[in-house]
Amino acid sequence: GQQVMQIPQYQHVQEGEDFTTYCNSSTTLSNIQWYKQRPGGHPVFLIQLVKSGEVKKQKRLTFQFGEAKKNSSLHITATQTTDVGTYFCAGDSGNTPLVFGKGTRLSVIA
Amino acid sequence: NAGVTQTPKFQVLKTGQSMTLQCAQDMNHNSMYWYRQDPGMGLRLIYYSASEGTTDKGEVPNGYNVSRLNKREFSLRLESAAPSQTSVYFCATRQPVKGAQHFGDGTRLSIL
Repeated sequence: GQQVMQIPQYQHVQEGEDFTTYCNSSTTLSNIQWYKQRPGGHPVFLIQLVKSGEVKKQKRLTFQFGEAKKNSSLHITATQTTDVGTYFCAGDSGNTPLVFGKGTRLSVIA
Repeated sequence: NAGVTQTPKFQVLKTGQSMTLQCAQDMNHNSMYWYRQDPGMGLRLIYYSASEGTTDKGEVPNGYNVSRLNKREFSLRLESAAPSQTSVYFCATRQPVKGAQHFGDGTRLSIL
């Protein structure tokens, strides 16, 4: 079945440094979604990418969808302590439910 | 708007006990999902319901049953709880046509 791999599993950065997490699917995706989960909280939808090569920005967050629609990345510029949490990608393929990656846990050292 | 409401928020069970986790939504979404989350394992799909009256197995259905009682409610039942089922359980709905998923606050379940 479809698999979504996400790296790295953990990332520790100094406040102000940049951060990137990568997501790779074993199959071509119709769309990819990104979620953020704060410690002790629940996943919250951030964004959805649909088009090949699509790039979307939300303030300091930049999301990319690969040309082949099999990979994606989330880049945070100049991290802040409010960015702490786990970031999940989730891939859509056919009529099956979303398949979530295992997430990247981001720690920010002030 | 409450969105997705899960009850209870915390529960401790003994091995062999049974329990039903409740989930209700006021978003009028057809699709509903149950996930479990364990450290380092991400979100694993237990069961889902694409619409009222239908349910399907996900990645880890063993030891669980579900009921889609109506469009609003989707419950998850543990018939005979085992320590391996200690986890955080999330219910979610999904906006139509491959839209965003909306999660409840979760139920933190410990089985001794």
